Amino acid sequence: KAGVTQTPRYLIKTRGQQVTLSCSPISGHRSVSWYQQTPGQGLQFLFEYFSETQRNKGNFPGRFSGRQFSNSRSEMNVSTLELGDSALYLCASSLEGGASSYNEQFFGPGTRLTVL
Amino acid sequence: SQQGEEDPQALSIQEGENATMNCSYKTSINNLQWYRQNSGRGLVHLILIRSNEREKHSGRLRVTLDTSKKSSSLLITASRAADTASYFCATGHFTGANSKLTFGKGITLSVRP
Repeated sequence: KAGVTQTPRYLIKTRGQQVTLSCSPISGHRSVSWYQQTPGQGLQFLFEYFSETQRNKGNFPGRFSGRQFSNSRSEMNVSTLELGDSALYLCASSLEGGASSYNEQFFGPGTRLTVL
Repeated sequence: SQQGEEDPQALSIQEGENATMNCSYKTSINNLQWYRQNSGRGLVHLILIRSNEREKHSGRLRVTLDTSKKSSSLLITASRAADTASYFCATGHFTGANSKLTFGKGITLSVRP
């Protein structure tokens, strides 16, 4: 079974631009969560999608948004990029919905975003 | 804000020694999980312990949970150079719409051959 895939793996953007990152979960997984990882703040939860609906959201500004498609693939978008958005963006998928979706998350390799 | 805080921040040991990493948290949890991350890659789930469990084993890993002290420890026995990685504890909170995993900042483990 293929693991979680994320594209692109590396991205360089300039301030003010927008970016879209993609995540394909493990086949059969319906929950996709997104995290931002930086040296200073560590791993921070962005949001979680389940069955095309955003179910949980972290404390990030509205510039960060996401969506999930009927095949469970998910995208996250960051508009008006700031230098501080430079980070490793990780997505994770899990099999079931509800509380049990947090029993184990399978992570992708991440997208390294650099904002210049 | 981070729920779990790992201790120490960095640990360097010799191959064959045991490595003990600690995690403390502040609020009640449903479960606590440990993940490993190799240099800039995705995280790999290691082990999960539920709030009503006190100890769990998986291969060379042993996890304990003390909910009265709000702390957990991860023990890696007979460490190998391949265990060199960052280790994160994550606390699971299930409150309906606010369910999520909250990660600590991680412990960097170096195992010298």
